[in-house]
Amino acid sequence: GVSQDPRHKITKRGQNVTFRCDPISGHTALYWYRQSLGQGPEFLIYFQGTGAADDSGLPNDRFFAVRPEGSVSTLKIQRTERGDSAVYLCASSLMASGGPSSYNEQFFGPGTRLTVL
Amino acid sequence: AQSVSQHNHHVILSEAASLELGCNYSYGGTVNLFWYVQYPGQHLQLLLKYFSGDPLVKGIKGFEAEFIKSKFSFNLRKPSVQWSDTAEYFCAVNLYGNNRLAFGKGNQVVVIP
Repeated sequence: GVSQDPRHKITKRGQNVTFRCDPISGHTALYWYRQSLGQGPEFLIYFQGTGAADDSGLPNDRFFAVRPEGSVSTLKIQRTERGDSAVYLCASSLMASGGPSSYNEQFFGPGTRLTVL
Repeated sequence: AQSVSQHNHHVILSEAASLELGCNYSYGGTVNLFWYVQYPGQHLQLLLKYFSGDPLVKGIKGFEAEFIKSKFSFNLRKPSVQWSDTAEYFCAVNLYGNNRLAFGKGNQVVVIP
């Protein structure tokens, strides 16, 4: 399945954090979502291969994600704030198309729980 | 604004009771619809999906959902719940031509033995 590392991260306000996602082998599409307490997952960014095909969900320029070789992805948050506390979810799928019956199921990882003190 | 709405965030039921969770969306285009479930300590996993065709879709573990286009709704049902159905349930929408999922806030369902 999709693996994420670390599973938990506690940091102080102002520190930088990095999360890793290892998708299912062969999945070319990779997604990051953020789930705040009491909310559903909220889209951040998705990659098709190495490129960010849609990064419109990133809340501001403190958030940055890469997928340099088209497999593992890292999400970085700079100068963390208390409002960044959430579970960061990664998902992967076969090639994303967005069409009707050609939509490919997204498989989710366990998430990384970030607590900013 | 485009959104996915789920009401009655906390639901408590006894075993064998029927469950219905409402989901309404406000997207104007053609959509794919999903219900995801997250059991305690586990990942989000797909429960069922609707793309086109028969508006009544059946998923795993006896769940079904009905798409009513005129009401922009995709309600989830199960006739008789079990203790093992205790979980959080999320409705999600995907717009044609767009690969992101938009989720509702979820329903926390607790089934009492």
